[in-house]
Amino acid sequence: AQSVSQHNHHVILSEAASLELGCNYSYGGTVNLFWYVQYPGQHLQLLLKYFSGDPLVKGIKGFEAEFIKSKFSFNLRKPSVQWSDTAEYFCAVNPLTSGTYKYIFGTGTRLKVLA
Amino acid sequence: NAGVTQTPKFQVLKTGQSMTLQCAQDMNHEYMSWYRQDPGMGLRLIHYSVGAGITDQGEVPNGYNVSRSTTEDFPLRLLSAAPSQTSVYFCASRRGTGGNEQFFGPGTRLTVL
Repeated sequence: AQSVSQHNHHVILSEAASLELGCNYSYGGTVNLFWYVQYPGQHLQLLLKYFSGDPLVKGIKGFEAEFIKSKFSFNLRKPSVQWSDTAEYFCAVNPLTSGTYKYIFGTGTRLKVLA
Repeated sequence: NAGVTQTPKFQVLKTGQSMTLQCAQDMNHEYMSWYRQDPGMGLRLIHYSVGAGITDQGEVPNGYNVSRSTTEDFPLRLLSAAPSQTSVYFCASRRGTGGNEQFFGPGTRLTVL
């Protein structure tokens, strides 16, 4: 079955620390990839997305992610986190098979940034 | 544009009661879906629709019904609420089929006693 794994369930960092959140998926075909963020008490918002082309994609608020096809990974990074980055982060995969409209979400990573 | 709206924001039900969670979008999106969010389990797809009159099951459809009579509305019905359906429910919509950003509603927090 297709799945998305986010290995870090809880991450605690101090402000200015660097961030990397892992995301791996199990699907051998072409995929679209997304990272969503959910700030406390809010709904999910798109951070960034990858469809094709440059495997290093940049999103909002200084986030970036790198697609490594050979590793089936799409890790999220930020060089220097801020207290306002405290949120839950979800990786999502959209397998591009005929008739497939589904997005598969990972279980999420809760990030807490200490001021 | 209001985007994706959901009502109610909070709801408490007793076991066996039924109710409908409302979802509407004003972006003329073809695709709409319902997810439930549970701690440690991420978002799981309940039902989805690729257009008016077309719905299909996601990975956790049992105990829920949906219909899509218009492009704008996609209500989720709980037929006979159970404590296992205590969760936060999100509706989402997107343009077209695959590859486009999903826009999420603010969620409905449901507690079943």
